[in-house]
Amino acid sequence: EVQLVESGGGLVQPGRSLRLSCLSSGFPFDVYAVSWFRQAPGKGLEWVGLIRRKAYGATAEYAASVKGRFTISRDDTKSTAYLQMNSLKTEDTAVYYCTKYSDNDPFDFWGQGTLVTVSS
Amino acid sequence: DVVMTQSPLSLSVTLGQPASISCRSSQSLVYSDGRTYLNWFQQRPGQSPRRLIYEVSKRDSGVPDRFSGSGSGTDFTLKISRVEAEDIGVYYCMQGTHWPFTFGQGTRLEI
Repeated sequence: EVQLVESGGGLVQPGRSLRLSCLSSGFPFDVYAVSWFRQAPGKGLEWVGLIRRKAYGATAEYAASVKGRFTISRDDTKSTAYLQMNSLKTEDTAVYYCTKYSDNDPFDFWGQGTLVTVSS
Repeated sequence: DVVMTQSPLSLSVTLGQPASISCRSSQSLVYSDGRTYLNWFQQRPGQSPRRLIYEVSKRDSGVPDRFSGSGSGTDFTLKISRVEAEDIGVYYCMQGTHWPFTFGQGTRLEI
């Protein structure tokens, strides 16, 4: 069974950092890209970024709203992707989701999400 | 960035009746490989999003066949042939052709 489990959310002060994890199972993690999304309270969905598989250099793309502050990485030995969030702002408050991605099967499985609250 | 515009933003439907959601993009979603990366997601209250449709019209396994996707270029539609109670929630279109990927505002379906 395919599963993606996000963790690492919590309450953090503006300007501080937080790292989220996305632990995956039930599929060959190393052959898929991983994408992160977020949803602010009561708002719509927003794409945050994506990291390609190692065969494509494990390079990443980001939304303009997080570029330069957020970094996505992956550890294929642990079937885990990470979202390092620096210089957090109150507007980064949201539930963060991760999904697996391939051109042939994009965003087919989502985790349950982890809530990040940025507040003083 | 590609702007995705959904309409209507709210839809009240009688059980058993059809529903239709429009999604328009500010530029063509046809990628250089000839494929169109337009997805539809459903988000039921209190749940994570769920993919319903990808590449315009490919329905996910487990998604009832009353859901269908159509369209091309910049104009896309999600149709529900006969709305059931379990269909309540918010529906989003999302393009995966151009960086950054972008969503429509969401359409809230009510019974």
